[in-house]
Amino acid sequence: QKEVEQDPGPLSVPEGAIVSLNCTYSNSAFQYFMWYRQYSRKGPELLMYTYSSGNKEDGRFTAQVDKSSKYISLFIRDSQPSDSATYLCAMIEDDKIIFGKGTRLHILP
Amino acid sequence: EAGVTQFPSHSVIEKGQTVTLRCDPISGHDNLYWYRRVMGKEIKFLLHFVKESKQDESGMPNNRFLAERTGGTYSTLKVQPAELEDSGVYFCASSQDPRVKYFGPGTRLTVT
Repeated sequence: QKEVEQDPGPLSVPEGAIVSLNCTYSNSAFQYFMWYRQYSRKGPELLMYTYSSGNKEDGRFTAQVDKSSKYISLFIRDSQPSDSATYLCAMIEDDKIIFGKGTRLHILP
Repeated sequence: EAGVTQFPSHSVIEKGQTVTLRCDPISGHDNLYWYRRVMGKEIKFLLHFVKESKQDESGMPNNRFLAERTGGTYSTLKVQPAELEDSGVYFCASSQDPRVKYFGPGTRLTVT
């Protein structure tokens, strides 16, 4: 079983829609949960990180962690074409980032 | 402030040749990491420097890979001799806070 499972997509949604991206993980020891955004030919860029269960909001982005279900989500409100990118969920283990494969997101104008 | 830079952006070499990738971290960042993404797979950890010392090299695939960090500044990752399965994108990241890592744009390595 992979440590982090993430649907690769692609996911296409119309501009202005709410986007929901999700990951599941297997290691209950993970404490820090992160979302990275990666544009084509660029490196991953940290969007948000949360510690343990709960919600964290930053502008149009909300990260949600449910440790009891080993499930994390990223919601994007009022999606924009500039949000089109690959979104990677990630966790930290012993200072190493464990990445999901990433979900390719397309926001259609 | 300049971000993490990597050179070259793309390298195409033949199997058996040697390639050296370079990473310049954000100034003042003691932590420097190398990650790699092989086609179709997740980005995976290779190793971690704290200043000039290797803190963790558990992700290095084999002894054909050699990483150095001279004087705790820039780092190089040498692959010698390169094999076909070494093709992928090599990312460097740096940080002060281990939870917040800043990634470079990556070096795309193609071994033919």
